[in-house]
Amino acid sequence: GIQVEQSPPDLILQEGANSTLRCNFSDSVNNLQWFHQNPWGQLINLFYIPSGTKQNGRLSATTVATERYSLLYISSSQTTDSGVYFCAVAYSGNTPLVFGKGTRLSVIA
Amino acid sequence: DVKVTQSSRYLVKRTGEKVFLECVQDMDHENMFWYRQDPGLGLRLIYFSYDVKMKEKGDIPEGYSVSREKKERFSLILESASTNQTSMYLCASSTQGRVVEKLFFGSGTQLSVL
Repeated sequence: GIQVEQSPPDLILQEGANSTLRCNFSDSVNNLQWFHQNPWGQLINLFYIPSGTKQNGRLSATTVATERYSLLYISSSQTTDSGVYFCAVAYSGNTPLVFGKGTRLSVIA
Repeated sequence: DVKVTQSSRYLVKRTGEKVFLECVQDMDHENMFWYRQDPGLGLRLIYFSYDVKMKEKGDIPEGYSVSREKKERFSLILESASTNQTSMYLCASSTQGRVVEKLFFGSGTQLSVL
């Protein structure tokens, strides 16, 4: 099946710093989503981005489908950005998402 | 906003017990999913359903079964709980369509099997 690799596995930032999280996937996909899991375990969808670039406030994401990777940018990080960020992909159509192992982000005040 | 509700936040069961994890969504979504999350392993798909009374095996269905008698409710059943089923269980739902554009999660059930 499709493989999803996220890097780095762990990241510690000072408040106000910027960061880039990476997601590599092993096959062509037509569905890619980024999620944030807060310290209480709730998973929230951040972006649906099978290709191109999107921005939402301090967060933005870019997917280069032809090169099989996606990047999540966090600018001016805040302590509330802490948690685990997951990338998830699917081959086609209505198939279930396959998740990476996540990047654990800790933002320190 | 979509609400996906899981019946218990924390659950402690004994080995061999039959365990039911319930999930209800309130947005008339056709698709529902059960994942488990373990440290260092990310989320792994157990079962999913695209319609009432339909079910499909995910990547790790062994030791689990599911039930979907009504569109809004998707139950995960551990027929005989074992210690290696101690995990965080996450239910999710989405609309039916050409592509699942947005997946909504419940807040999870942390199950401990002793």
